[in-house]
Amino acid sequence: EDKVVQSPLSLVVHEGDTVTLNCSYEVTNFRSLLWYKQEKKAPTFLFMLTSSGIEKKSGRLSSILDKKELFSILNITATQTGDSAIYLCAAEGNEKLTFGTGTRLTIIP
Amino acid sequence: DAGITQSPRHKVTETGTPVTLRCHQTENHRYMYWYRQDPGHGLRLIHYSYGVKDTDKGEVSDGYSVSRSKTEDFLLTLESATSSQTSVYFCAIARQGISSYEQYFGPGTRLTVT
Repeated sequence: EDKVVQSPLSLVVHEGDTVTLNCSYEVTNFRSLLWYKQEKKAPTFLFMLTSSGIEKKSGRLSSILDKKELFSILNITATQTGDSAIYLCAAEGNEKLTFGTGTRLTIIP
Repeated sequence: DAGITQSPRHKVTETGTPVTLRCHQTENHRYMYWYRQDPGHGLRLIHYSYGVKDTDKGEVSDGYSVSRSKTEDFLLTLESATSSQTSVYFCAIARQGISSYEQYFGPGTRLTVT
């Protein structure tokens, strides 16, 4: 059975801190790892990673994939209150996504 | 914005009644998906479609059926709604890249079964 596990389940930090969110996966015919941000609505796409060791960056967010150890991390530097959200990780195999339950990130001003 | 709309956006219905949710896309994507999202479970795949009249079951398909008679529309039907089907339902499309599929989500439908 395909499985994606995220940690921590929740995280509370102060504005300006750096956070690291973790995602491990076991998915048949794995092809890619995707990160989403979800505020009080639909998940919005952040990154897709397909190759090991290549960092993807978008502003203060970055992510990297380790296909040997079957995990990915999402880093957010200089956090802002607008980063407060649930961050979802999903692994794709056979044209289907398996999602983790998410990390709820709260940024305190 | 992936050109996805869902209707209705909110619905309250009674146990035992049939309910149909509609997902409409404007970009001619081949793959479409229905998920439900519940606290503690994340997003779970109900059914998906890989073309007109081509559908398959996901992880939590019991009590649900789907139909896709046109590329742009993917319908989810709860044949006889139960309280356990109270949830937020998201439709998604997949944009095919060189080596994989990025999925983009519609705005969601909040369904309450009383």
